[in-house]
Amino acid sequence: GENVEQHPSTLSVQEGDSAVIKCTYSDSASNYFPWYKQELGKRPQLIIDIRSNVGEKKDQRIAVTLNKTAKHFSLHITETQPEDSAVYFCAASIQWGFQKLVFGTGTRLLVSP
Amino acid sequence: DTEVTQTPKHLVMGMTNKKSLKCEQHMGHRAMYWYKQKAKKPPELMFVYSYEKLSINESVPSRFSPECPNSSLLNLHLHALQPEDSALYLCASSQDSSGNGEQFFGPGTRLTVL
Repeated sequence: GENVEQHPSTLSVQEGDSAVIKCTYSDSASNYFPWYKQELGKRPQLIIDIRSNVGEKKDQRIAVTLNKTAKHFSLHITETQPEDSAVYFCAASIQWGFQKLVFGTGTRLLVSP
Repeated sequence: DTEVTQTPKHLVMGMTNKKSLKCEQHMGHRAMYWYKQKAKKPPELMFVYSYEKLSINESVPSRFSPECPNSSLLNLHLHALQPEDSALYLCASSQDSSGNGEQFFGPGTRLTVL
């Protein structure tokens, strides 16, 4: 089955800096890679996703890159703000119709003012 | 309505109790999911329903029994749970037919088993 590794487990940055979180996956058949943000006591919320036919996707301060050959994908957050502080999970899935998401272990991002 | 709702928000039960968790969505999604999330861990998939049929059971113990009465509702029946089953139980839904929709998560039910 699919296995997703995520690094780093914690990341502390100053406000305005960039943050990068990296994930690797094991199943070459995976074709859908979402990123979720989970604030303390809240539900996971999708912040960006990418499919295997795309190498990069950007949404304002957030971007995701995918390298299918190396089986890794990364989340890039620019101009970080204190409200970006949360736990971020990457995930991988084969998407037949429904999704069988396998999550990475999570990265706790702390943005200091 | 673009939200998944779950009840109750909190549940405390003894090991001999029977209780149920409920999940509801009105987005017309045909795939619904149950996840278990322990503190400081990622969500772990338990069950997937697609068009009201159980499609995936991730080898979950039989003390957890899912039910999908209709396309908007998903239940998780609990019986004879163990203290290690204490966790946040998350429900999610997504479009199934197109396969292109994101998974929307509910707020979760925080379960404590005494």
